[in-house]
Amino acid sequence: ETGVTQSPTHLIKTRGQQVTLRCSSQSGHNTVSWYQQALGQGPQFIFQYYREEENGRGNFPPRFSGLQFPNYSSELNVNALELDDSALYLCASSLDGTSSYNEQFFGPGTRLTVL
Amino acid sequence: DQQVKQNSPSLSVQEGRISILNCDYTNSMFDYFLWYKKYPAEGPTFLISISSIKDKNEDGRFTVFLNKSAKHLSLHIVPSQPGDSAVYFCAASSGLDSSYKLIFGSGTRLLVRP
Repeated sequence: ETGVTQSPTHLIKTRGQQVTLRCSSQSGHNTVSWYQQALGQGPQFIFQYYREEENGRGNFPPRFSGLQFPNYSSELNVNALELDDSALYLCASSLDGTSSYNEQFFGPGTRLTVL
Repeated sequence: DQQVKQNSPSLSVQEGRISILNCDYTNSMFDYFLWYKKYPAEGPTFLISISSIKDKNEDGRFTVFLNKSAKHLSLHIVPSQPGDSAVYFCAASSGLDSSYKLIFGSGTRLLVRP
């Protein structure tokens, strides 16, 4: 059983650009959540996808969007990058995130730097 | 508005002694609490959890205590080992939220000295 993987590991962008981060969930996990971890802070919930539909969103603007695909992969897209978007982005997959609490398995994250 | 707070950014203990990490929360709707451990360049890994219907849960060297009236939980590690050195995050979740999203504290960096 493979774990949660994310790509790329590191990324540098300039303000105003767009970025796509990718996540591959554990096989069989139909729920993926994305978190942003700023330096010195805990992870902050961005949104969750369940069976390719958004199921819950944190306090993030619409320029943060996502997609989930049938093959257990997902994307986080951020448009019009701002300096404050610099952070570690984590995805977490779980077996079924909507019926009860299920353990979330985190990937290693993508470190995004916005200059 | 921080709903989950870890007021100690760091903790240093001697190998073999007890490590106690603390966490406070404000939202009474939280009914599930977790501790995650994070090493550099890795994602957080689940350590131990507790439901709000319990006040204690043990797993080997790790014990989590929950005091609902004080909205406080703590993680005890006995005995502490150098390999336990990592950042520990407290997290909470509510069954009223269909996403069961995790609300994290800001973390406590634990250093276990040999």
